[in-house]
Amino acid sequence: KAGVTQTPRYLIKTRGQQVTLSCSPISGHRSVSWYQQTPGQGLQFLFEYFSETQRNKGNFPGRFSGRQFSNSRSEMNVSTLELGDSALYLCASRRGLAGGPGYNEQFFGPGTRLTVL
Amino acid sequence: TQLLEQSPQFLSIQEGENLTVYCNSSSVFSSLQWYRQEPGEGPVLLVTVVTGGEVKKLKRLTFQFGDARKDSSLHITAAQPGDTGLYLCAGPEGWGAQKLVFGQGTRLTINP
Repeated sequence: KAGVTQTPRYLIKTRGQQVTLSCSPISGHRSVSWYQQTPGQGLQFLFEYFSETQRNKGNFPGRFSGRQFSNSRSEMNVSTLELGDSALYLCASRRGLAGGPGYNEQFFGPGTRLTVL
Repeated sequence: TQLLEQSPQFLSIQEGENLTVYCNSSSVFSSLQWYRQEPGEGPVLLVTVVTGGEVKKLKRLTFQFGDARKDSSLHITAAQPGDTGLYLCAGPEGWGAQKLVFGQGTRLTINP
């Protein structure tokens, strides 16, 4: 079974630009979550999508947005990039069926390393 | 927001030594998970503990969930260089426990 894939793996942008990151979940997984990882703040939850609907959102500004497609693939977008947006952006998928075994167990992709200059 | 605090943040020991990493919170969690992350990769799930007092073993790694479900520990016996990595504890939070809150992580280095 293929794991979670993220593209691109590395990205360099300049302040003010926007960026779109892509995530393909494990086949059969309907939930996709996005996390930002930085040395100072660690792993922080951005948002979660399930069946094309955003179910939960972390404490990030509106410049961070996402969406999910009918095939469960997801994209996240960051507009008007700031230097502080430099981070590893991780996507994680899970089955998303409430109450089922392993409900909370998330499978992470390798991440997209975003550098903002 | 529920918080998870890990200690120590950094640990460097010699091969063959034993170590324990702690994950503490003032909040009760329905479950806690431990992940290991290696450079350039995403976190990989090691174990989920669900029941207070539960102990799970994964080869030389022993995971324990506190009786009150507010803390957990990871004990490694006879550490190997392959155990090197960032160890993260995480717990579910939010409506339907849809998101994971992570500890800051313990960066472990095992020296040959």
